[in-house]
Amino acid sequence: GDSVTQTEGLVTLTKGLPVMLNCTYQTTYSPFLFWYVQHLNEAPKLLLKSSTDNKRTEHQGFYATLHKSSSSFHLQKSSVQLSDSALYFCALSHSGYNKLTFGKGTVLLVSP
Amino acid sequence: GALVYQYPRRTICKSGTSMRMECQAVGFQATSVAWYRQSPQKTFELIALSTVNSAIKYEQNFTQEKFPISHPNLSFSSMTVLNAYLEDRGLYLCGARDQGLSYEQYFGPGTRLTVL
Repeated sequence: GDSVTQTEGLVTLTKGLPVMLNCTYQTTYSPFLFWYVQHLNEAPKLLLKSSTDNKRTEHQGFYATLHKSSSSFHLQKSSVQLSDSALYFCALSHSGYNKLTFGKGTVLLVSP
Repeated sequence: GALVYQYPRRTICKSGTSMRMECQAVGFQATSVAWYRQSPQKTFELIALSTVNSAIKYEQNFTQEKFPISHPNLSFSSMTVLNAYLEDRGLYLCGARDQGLSYEQYFGPGTRLTVL
């Protein structure tokens, strides 16, 4: 079945530094990849999505490129802010299937 | 825009009792509704997927007898947690999408269930 593996646990960074959160996936179908961000006591919100190979997608300073050759969709930002502190989930779906398969989540903690 | 509301936002129930939670989609047709549970220290587990005009599909370890779901129209779904116990505590999320338009799921704020 489908699976998603992402950087687990806690990532701590100082404000202004770059970040990359890894996400790799496994599926036998054509993939749709998503990054969701969840702030404390809030619902997860869509940050990025892509189904196009080798095309960079960007939103709110975050960016990711789906690479089907390596089954990856890493999340990056060149300069993190305090407000980026949150829980980040990588998720996978595929054509014709409504289910999202989530990774275990990565906590990003940005310090001053 | 597309919004999903869930209520109640928080609820507490005694062990062995049941509680019902609701999910309302606004601004789009929720042809597909997925119910997830986020348990403490865990990621999202899919409980079941409900698609209009199709049977509700439950994931392994989740059953209709324990988590009955209703999806009567394109804007509303409800799920009941029957005979709730400690292991049922967590944040229950409703994710809805319009199958004909997008693969993006819109999530509600969740219902946080505490079991005493």
